[in-house]
Amino acid sequence: GQNIDQPTEMTATEGAIVQINCTYQTSGFNGLFWYQQHAGEAPTFLSYNVLDGLEEKGRFSSFLSRSKGYSYLLLKELQMKDSASYLCAVMDSNYQLIWGAGTKLIIKP
Amino acid sequence: IAGITQAPTSQILAAGRRMTLRCTQDMRHNAMYWYRQDLGLGLRLIHYSNTAGTTGKGEVPDGYSVSRANTDDFPLTLASAVPSQTSVYFCASSARGGNTDTQYFGPGTRLTVL
Repeated sequence: GQNIDQPTEMTATEGAIVQINCTYQTSGFNGLFWYQQHAGEAPTFLSYNVLDGLEEKGRFSSFLSRSKGYSYLLLKELQMKDSASYLCAVMDSNYQLIWGAGTKLIIKP
Repeated sequence: IAGITQAPTSQILAAGRRMTLRCTQDMRHNAMYWYRQDLGLGLRLIHYSNTAGTTGKGEVPDGYSVSRANTDDFPLTLASAVPSQTSVYFCASSARGGNTDTQYFGPGTRLTVL
């Protein structure tokens, strides 16, 4: 079956760096997406990786290793507004997104 | 530009009732999707449409139906609601279906079936 694994919850301190991991097993691979979802709101797009390596976008970076079925989202200079759930999703061979359950990130002052 | 709108924002429904969740986008996207989100689970695809006039089944289609009469609208209907359909429903769209285009989400509908 298809499976996306990510930690349920993480805690970090304002101003610090946090890495959220995602491992996947899917039928085919057409890219990996990261979304941010604040409580009670819709998911919003953060990043897309289809080739191995690191994609940097401001304070957020996303890494992909296709051979290991592994990705991480790196958040630098954490701000209180970064408190949210972070969703990892893989696009399978049918171009459908398979979603992880999300990682709830709690930022403490 | 509104993007994607959904209605209603929330609804409490008696079991056995029929309910249609509305979704409209103004981005002229070809593809649209309906997901449900339940605590502790990832988003699960209910139905999708890659272009107006076509629809397809996702991971959890039972008990739901959709139509895509035009580009902008993609309503989701629960013919006879059951308590297990209590969830948050998100509509999404992307420029092209069957492609790696980014999906953009509406604000969601919170549905409670009693």
